[in-house]
Amino acid sequence: DIQMTQSPSSLSASVGDRVTITCRASQGIYNSLAWYQQKPGKAPNLLVYGTSRLESGVPSRFSGSGSGTHYTLTISSLQPEDFATYYCQQYYSTPFTFGPGTKVDIK
Amino acid sequence: EVQVLESGGDLVQPGGSLRLSCAASGFTFSNYAMSWVRQAPGKGLEWVSGISDSGGYTYYADSVKGRFTISRDNSKNTLYLQMNNLRVEDTAVYYCAKRTTENGWFFGYWGQGTLVTVSS
Repeated sequence: DIQMTQSPSSLSASVGDRVTITCRASQGIYNSLAWYQQKPGKAPNLLVYGTSRLESGVPSRFSGSGSGTHYTLTISSLQPEDFATYYCQQYYSTPFTFGPGTKVDIK
Repeated sequence: EVQVLESGGDLVQPGGSLRLSCAASGFTFSNYAMSWVRQAPGKGLEWVSGISDSGGYTYYADSVKGRFTISRDNSKNTLYLQMNNLRVEDTAVYYCAKRTTENGWFFGYWGQGTLVTVSS
């Protein structure tokens, strides 16, 4: 099974900050990587798929990059509505595993 | 509008069984693979099981293999998850999830979730 790790596990940031979250796979996943945002009590919301393809309706301040086993999600200018938990997910092979999450809260 | 609506969550004793349902609308159900994803209280997301559009292929996480069975009825636009020999660690909100129009087992549409509690 492919194991996914994320760093940091949590971070505190201010509105306007640039935020980068890292996701690593235990083996190559060939850009089959998605990112989700989840707010308390709500279902996850797809942000990025295919490493860098922005889901329709997602603000352009979100971007994804990476290759091989190393991937990143960047928020260029953090907005109040972006405080949430972010998960990466590989869909290269079953079981389709999620990272443990990165909680972004207000500094 | 794409909608998936889960039901069937309940309180069940360890060793018991439960069947979850997911009613789909707003898209051609038979054209899309579907999945179940769960989230234990205060924990992260865990993909549980997936099924191909025709139902001919099924996939499971190691943690549920042999105990859970995913199925679908394309005539009823409904996805199911039969859960047997339930354990305390199966306690979670269970989400039904569908990909976008893009190919790949990532999930652009989610239900609101149904809570399964396994406790004596």
